Amino acid sequence: QVQLVESGGGVVQPGGSLRLSCATSGFTFDDYGMHWVRQAPGKGLEWVAVISSDGDHKHYSGSVKGRFTLSRDNSKNTLYLQMSSLRAEDTAVYYCAKDQRAAAGTFDHWGQGTLVTVSS
Amino acid sequence: DIQMTQSPSSLSASVGDRVTITCRANQTISSFLNWYQQKPKKAPKLLIFSATNLGSGVPSRFIGSGSGTDFSLTISPLQPEDFATYYCQQSSSTLFTFGPGTKVDVK
Repeated sequence: QVQLVESGGGVVQPGGSLRLSCATSGFTFDDYGMHWVRQAPGKGLEWVAVISSDGDHKHYSGSVKGRFTLSRDNSKNTLYLQMSSLRAEDTAVYYCAKDQRAAAGTFDHWGQGTLVTVSS
Repeated sequence: DIQMTQSPSSLSASVGDRVTITCRANQTISSFLNWYQQKPKKAPKLLIFSATNLGSGVPSRFIGSGSGTDFSLTISPLQPEDFATYYCQQSSSTLFTFGPGTKVDVK
């Protein structure tokens, strides 16, 4: 069965950096686009970024563009999110999500999430 | 960016009720509309994709409809496990956006 397991969350100071990972199994990783979606405490869902199946195409939300970098290692079936210049408003649970197709924007499987807290 | 709105923001219902949640986009998105269910402290789950198609393993009491700018999710009859928050999400534009959510709780 499809499994997505995020790691790398934690507490970081404003202006700091953090790298999240999403290890996957149960599907052919390099056939699908992958996303990060976040949820601030007590708030709704916010899409963050998408990477195409081959890693050549990436798109970011305006709130993270220029600060976050998405990558994937298809040999390790793993997705990454490098976050820098972190702000208090980046505090959230970060979910990785598998796209239903190459990068169609339908999230058919989700990880359990990893909490990122930006605080001094 | 395409903006999504949902109504109501919350509702109270009883087991066996018919519940309808509406979602509106500020520009036409054809049928590129998905619905997710989220329970407290859990990851969201895909319920409906492309406005009307049931996700894998989703019961048939969940019904999606609409196209263009106006969409709805109906749950009938409501079951105990359906008390949760529901989000719509557009997949028409690459800057994917979610609605603010509708919380369904026990009357």
